[in-house]
Amino acid sequence: AQSVAQPEDQVNVAEGNPLTVKCTYSVSGNPYLFWYVQYPNRGLQFLLKYITGDNLVKGSYGFEAEFNKSQTSFHLKKPSALVSDSALYFCAVRDPAVHNKFYFGSGTKLNVKP
Amino acid sequence: NAGVTQTPKFQVLKTGQSMTLQCAQDMNHEYMSWYRQDPGMGLRLIHYSVGAGITDQGEVPNGYNVSRSTTEDFPLRLLSAAPSQTSVYFCASSYPGPGANVLTFGAGSRLTVL
Repeated sequence: AQSVAQPEDQVNVAEGNPLTVKCTYSVSGNPYLFWYVQYPNRGLQFLLKYITGDNLVKGSYGFEAEFNKSQTSFHLKKPSALVSDSALYFCAVRDPAVHNKFYFGSGTKLNVKP
Repeated sequence: NAGVTQTPKFQVLKTGQSMTLQCAQDMNHEYMSWYRQDPGMGLRLIHYSVGAGITDQGEVPNGYNVSRSTTEDFPLRLLSAAPSQTSVYFCASSYPGPGANVLTFGAGSRLTVL
């Protein structure tokens, strides 16, 4: 079975500091990994994805994610956090066999304080 | 370009009532799906469709029905609402292109069952 885990319910960081939101995955086959962001009372928005290739993936709004196969991790990072980055972040993995099935983590609330 | 449109945005039901959550997309996406979002549990897949006339069950299908008579529409039916179905529901669509399909989400429908 496919799954993702986000071990932190909440991450607090000061504006201007680097941020990391953690995600680990379990998948049978090649991993297709995603990060989505949800602002209050909104739907989820795509940030970035990993399919194959470079282990460092760059996405929207200055975010990037590092794929680590040996640690089965796909952590979301940003060098310098903004207050406007405060939101709920979800990691997701696609089912290798059924391309319209995705498994989401429980979400991590990012709080960026001025 | 409206993207994915969900109606209604809010709904309150009594136990045992039925209703339909509507979802429409104007991007000609073949894939559509329904998720529910509950605190601490992330998003869980209810039903999904890979094209008109084709639907299948996700992780939590009990109590929900779907149909896909057109590419654009993918309604979710609750036949006899239960308090356990109180949740925020998201419809998503994507196209099966190379490089993994990115989900486009609607704004969500908040359902309360009393």
